[in-house]
Amino acid sequence: GEDVEQSLFLSVREGDSSVINCTYTDSSSTYLYWYKQEPGAGLQLLTYIFSNMDMKQDQRLTVLLNKKDKHLSLRIADTQTGDSAIYFCAEEDSSYKLIFGSGTRLLVRP
Amino acid sequence: NAGVTQTPKFQVLKTGQSMTLQCAQDMNHNSMYWYRQDPGMGLRLIYYSASEGTTDKGEVPNGYNVSRLNKREFSLRLESAAPSQTSVYFCASKIVAGGAGELFFGEGSRLTVL
Repeated sequence: GEDVEQSLFLSVREGDSSVINCTYTDSSSTYLYWYKQEPGAGLQLLTYIFSNMDMKQDQRLTVLLNKKDKHLSLRIADTQTGDSAIYFCAEEDSSYKLIFGSGTRLLVRP
Repeated sequence: NAGVTQTPKFQVLKTGQSMTLQCAQDMNHNSMYWYRQDPGMGLRLIYYSASEGTTDKGEVPNGYNVSRLNKREFSLRLESAAPSQTSVYFCASKIVAGGAGELFFGEGSRLTVL
């Protein structure tokens, strides 16, 4: 079945860039997503990318998609302490269900 | 704006007890979902309802039942709770099942089964 994998933890210094990586298996995914979860809350959509794009930029966020390698990344420029959260990559399967990765916990050190 | 509302927020059950998690959305969304979140395992889909009147199994449906009561409400029932069902449960909704629409999440229901 479909699988989405992410590293579990990333620690960066405030002001640096953060890069969170994800690999997925379903080559038919039309959209790929990044969600953010803050402590004690549900997930919120950060951004998404259409599968025929290889890059999308949205303010401090840059999403890169390598469809050949089924690799997705999220770059956060000028990372702030408020960016500390869990970040989930998700792909949409052929039945339009979202399959989530296990999440990457980002810790931003002052 | 209420968005997706789940009740209860916290619940402690004994093994074998039953309970229902309630979810309601006020965004006129067609599709609704129930996920569970366990440490290190991300979110796993339990059941979903692509539209009013339909429900389908997700990745981990065993031990659960659902009811799409109307377009607004989608409930999740545990008939005989087991310690393995200790988790945080999230309800979510989307305007339609396909496409780039955002999945809106509730705040979660933390369930402990002793």
